[in-house]
Amino acid sequence: SYELTQPPSVSVSPGQTARITCSGDALSKAYAYWYQQKAGQAPLLIIYKDIERPSGIPGRFSGYSSGTTVTLIISGVQAEDEADYYCQSADSSGTLVFGGGTKLTVL
Amino acid sequence: EELLLESGGGLVQPGGSLRLSCEASGFIFSDYAMSWVRQAPGKGLEWVSSISGSGGKSYFADSVKGRFTVSRDNSRNTVYLQMNSLRVEDAAVYYCAKVPTPTVGSTTYFQHWGQGTLVIVSS
Repeated sequence: SYELTQPPSVSVSPGQTARITCSGDALSKAYAYWYQQKAGQAPLLIIYKDIERPSGIPGRFSGYSSGTTVTLIISGVQAEDEADYYCQSADSSGTLVFGGGTKLTVL
Repeated sequence: EELLLESGGGLVQPGGSLRLSCEASGFIFSDYAMSWVRQAPGKGLEWVSSISGSGGKSYFADSVKGRFTVSRDNSRNTVYLQMNSLRVEDAAVYYCAKVPTPTVGSTTYFQHWGQGTLVIVSS
């Protein structure tokens, strides 16, 4: 099995840019996906295939990939962006894995 | 509008069994693989199982392999998770999620999620 590593927490002030990383050897060969989970809610897909944004997701959310690390970038952070963020990837055998999650705090 | 509605959660004793259901609407159910993801209280997300759109292939996390089975009834737009030999560590909110492809592989992800059903394993 493989692992994805995220920082447990990231803090930013409103209007600043938040960067949340996700690292794992498998990411050099596989796509990453990002989910936002607000307190008491189900997760929501916000980035797929490293950099693509589903319809309805604000443009301030973007993704970047380099080698074995992918990064979720939230530009102009708003208070409503405070949530837990999870990266996810998959291998060809059908095994799916999540990172441990990052709690984003908007100061 | 695509909707996923889980049911079947509840309190069960260690060693017991439970069957979760997820009824889908708003899309052609048989065209998409489906998955189950769980989240223990205060913990992160953990993938549990996936099943192809036809139901012909299924996949399981090592933590549940041999104890859980997954199935689907495309005539009822419903996917099931049969959980046997339940352990305290299986307690979690179980989410049903739609995969945007009919098969499961290296580009599988969770396009849409239900609101979850809570499973409590306790004596």
